Amino acid sequence: KQEVTQIPAALSVPEGENLVLNCSFTDSAIYNLQWFRQDPGKGLTSLLLIQSSQREQTSGRLNASLDKSSGRSTLYIAASQPGDSATYLCAVMGPSGTYKYIFGTGTRLKVLA
Amino acid sequence: GAGVSQSPSNKVTEKGKDVELRCDPISGHTALYWYRQRLGQGLEFLIYFQGNSAPDKSGLPSDRFSAERTGESVSTLTIQRTQQEDSAVYLCASSQRRAETQYFGPGTRLLVL
Repeated sequence: KQEVTQIPAALSVPEGENLVLNCSFTDSAIYNLQWFRQDPGKGLTSLLLIQSSQREQTSGRLNASLDKSSGRSTLYIAASQPGDSATYLCAVMGPSGTYKYIFGTGTRLKVLA
Repeated sequence: GAGVSQSPSNKVTEKGKDVELRCDPISGHTALYWYRQRLGQGLEFLIYFQGNSAPDKSGLPSDRFSAERTGESVSTLTIQRTQQEDSAVYLCASSQRRAETQYFGPGTRLLVL
């Protein structure tokens, strides 16, 4: 059974810092991994999707890497801003034959001005 | 274009009543997912529809839960004989095809008294 863990559970940093959020999963036979942000009281917004054949994806100040063999992904946020404050969730699709996402419990990020 | 919409946005019901939640996916999206998020917890997969294929119902917690989708249009999630533990935010997401970026609706907040 696929399990997804995110560390740390919460993080508070001053504005301008670069930071790394971690996601690990137990079954490496995945189709893809997706990073989302969730703002309080709202739905989820997809940030980056990495297919199983890819090593990383970049969008603006965000960079996500995937090491499928070790069951890990990291989300790197450069030059953090107060507007980045949210809960960040990673989700994996798979293993093979299943097309549902299993979500981690998230990292709650607060960027202080 | 329009995003994923869900209705109602909030629903308060009494224990034992049936409720019906609605999801309108993005037009042309063949895949549709339902998730549940209890307070302070992660997202739990409930059910997944892909085109006209048989849905993956493996996440439905009990036979009180059911969902329907006609073709590639609207989906309804029905909870019969609601219990207090059904209180949660129910989120719907759609994607153009399975294993692609998911777009989430704002959710329906269900409170069972």
